[in-house]
Amino acid sequence: SAVISQKPSRDICQRGTSLTIQCQVDSQVTMMFWYRQQPGQSLTLIATANQGSEATYESGFVIDKFPISRPNLTFSTLTVSNMSPEDSSIYLCSVSNLAGKHGNEQFFGPGTRLTVL
Amino acid sequence: GNSVTQMEGPVTLSEEAFLTINCTYTATGYPSLFWYVQYPGEGLQLLLKATKADDKGSNKGFEATYRKETTSFHLEKGSVQVSDSAVYFCALSGNQGGKLIFGQGTELSVKP
Repeated sequence: SAVISQKPSRDICQRGTSLTIQCQVDSQVTMMFWYRQQPGQSLTLIATANQGSEATYESGFVIDKFPISRPNLTFSTLTVSNMSPEDSSIYLCSVSNLAGKHGNEQFFGPGTRLTVL
Repeated sequence: GNSVTQMEGPVTLSEEAFLTINCTYTATGYPSLFWYVQYPGEGLQLLLKATKADDKGSNKGFEATYRKETTSFHLEKGSVQVSDSAVYFCALSGNQGGKLIFGQGTELSVKP
């Protein structure tokens, strides 16, 4: 399985600011995803990060609020823009290696714990 | 659309007790099914998976069988340990670009 790191591991931010979270994988992967886990809740997919093109966002998530980059097959960033306390969550990236095929498990990074004051 | 429903927690058990965490799903076609575990303060780890009907996934003493007739994937362990205390997530992956849909999670607390 891939080794996935995220930076920062946690941060406390002020309302109205933006934070960029990095996800680095130790090997090339086909698929990268970004999830949000609100306090005490399950995981919700924000978007699929596509290499070299715009991310594919899920219903309820938009590019202006959560811009995503994926410049290559081992790295992606998620920015949480114009933050409010409701954005306080754990943000996780995940990877898998079969494009568009189910049955292949996803591996998750350790997450970034964000608190917005 | 696809969805996953888990039994509500928290579940509190004594060490060496039998564990069942129920999971049912709604999906078109033939999804793959997963159990992930999240230990306190950590990220998600894949616990086990099953990709077709009647498959049994197993790992670390945990088992789950893909039951298409009942659309279920219940997690079981015969004898839990304190170290099994964590949040357990049932999830499915259908023909939608590989994305996972998670249940709400079930917190397990095992007392010595």
